[in-house]
Amino acid sequence: LAKTTQPISMDSYEGQEVNITCSHNNIATNDYITWYQQFPSQGPRFIIQGYKTKVTNEVASLFIPADRKSSTLSLPRVSLSDTAVYYCLVGDSGMDTGRRALTFGSGTRLQVQP
Amino acid sequence: EADIYQTPRYLVIGTGKKITLECSQTMGHDKMYWYQQDPGMELHLIHYSYGVNSTEKGDLSSESTVSRIRTEHFPLTLESARPSHTSQYLCASSEYKHYNEQFFGPGTRLTVL
Repeated sequence: LAKTTQPISMDSYEGQEVNITCSHNNIATNDYITWYQQFPSQGPRFIIQGYKTKVTNEVASLFIPADRKSSTLSLPRVSLSDTAVYYCLVGDSGMDTGRRALTFGSGTRLQVQP
Repeated sequence: EADIYQTPRYLVIGTGKKITLECSQTMGHDKMYWYQQDPGMELHLIHYSYGVNSTEKGDLSSESTVSRIRTEHFPLTLESARPSHTSQYLCASSEYKHYNEQFFGPGTRLTVL
């Protein structure tokens, strides 16, 4: 499974846009990029997943360049409640993946200030 | 909201006790997982299952054991708890092919005295 690298921590202020970039130089052709959010004392929550270009949902946007060696999670107009750890994961979401499992790294700790 | 449940939410026990952490899901997911996470630290996969009667060890060595007799149930057992087992234990599930999208339970915070 491709290894990911992301910043350990980031700080922002309420109302700002936050972009968290993840590097995954060894991403394989069948790999998808997935982001999770984890609040203190809770389990992680799936945010968004993409394969290429741009994906947007009600929570975030995910930008993936053509070479797919990195991805950027974009959180528009963050609030205090967006303070959490954000994990970037890479894995195959296609055929014959039943016996595989994800590896969560250290994640990026986002602190939103008032 | 995902339908995955863990009990108990908090457990404080003495050294040497046998404990079972329960995890159940009602989504019909084939794959289930157990993670261990200390406060402020990484999640470590300790066990997973890709179906009934199948279990695999994860990345982190653990003295715990698991069983998967029913699709919806994936209990974790510690035969003899020690203080080093103090941690948060998180259960998750996913569809068989789409293991990237996992649904997590609320976790069990275990303290062994």
